[in-house]
Amino acid sequence: AQKVTQAQTEISVVEKEDVTLDCVYETRDTTYYLFWYKQPPSGELVFLIRRNSFDEQNEISGRYSWNFQKSTSSFNFTITASQVVDSAVYFCALHQGGANNLFFGTGTRLTVIP
Amino acid sequence: ETGVTQSPTHLIKTRGQQVTLRCSSQSGHNTVSWYQQALGQGPQFIFQYYREEENGRGNFPPRFSGLQFPNYSSELNVNALELDDSALYLCASSSSFADTQYFGPGTRLTVL
Repeated sequence: AQKVTQAQTEISVVEKEDVTLDCVYETRDTTYYLFWYKQPPSGELVFLIRRNSFDEQNEISGRYSWNFQKSTSSFNFTITASQVVDSAVYFCALHQGGANNLFFGTGTRLTVIP
Repeated sequence: ETGVTQSPTHLIKTRGQQVTLRCSSQSGHNTVSWYQQALGQGPQFIFQYYREEENGRGNFPPRFSGLQFPNYSSELNVNALELDDSALYLCASSSSFADTQYFGPGTRLTVL
């Protein structure tokens, strides 16, 4: 069975604050991939990052960073110095090895207040 | 490099009608996946096409069907539309069935 839990339904922060979006996953596979996508009001899902289950190195890309911890089955996403353009719904997704589809969480709506 | 495109952008149909949604994959991608996203929910996998063959299907009834063409573009067909079919339909392409999926802008379907 596979499951992705994004417990935070909505988060509001003031511009320039840091914010962390949580993602907890469940899978029985040893090979899997984790993703984060951003969905702005326009509706298109924008790919942000992909991590495989064998690579627990944290990653930083500009103001974005990701913390992958297999011990807690978590793949959290931090935005540093948030900006209004970061306002969107963010989805965490799981792709089990050998499967062909992404399994999405329910998303976290982030609002950055100017 | 052209990204994933979908048409139409919006569509309004009545219950019982049939609808066809279209997707053009990103250049170099041979795999197309379709997802349904109801309001306030995460996308749900409908099915995937890989090299013109269906390559996996989610929990959707047979009235949801698809095609993939030799140029790897794809269609999603829904027959006998129901009110609950109202959703954003997202198409994603990838360079193989296991690779990163890149999404198009979606088609918003409203069933009245």
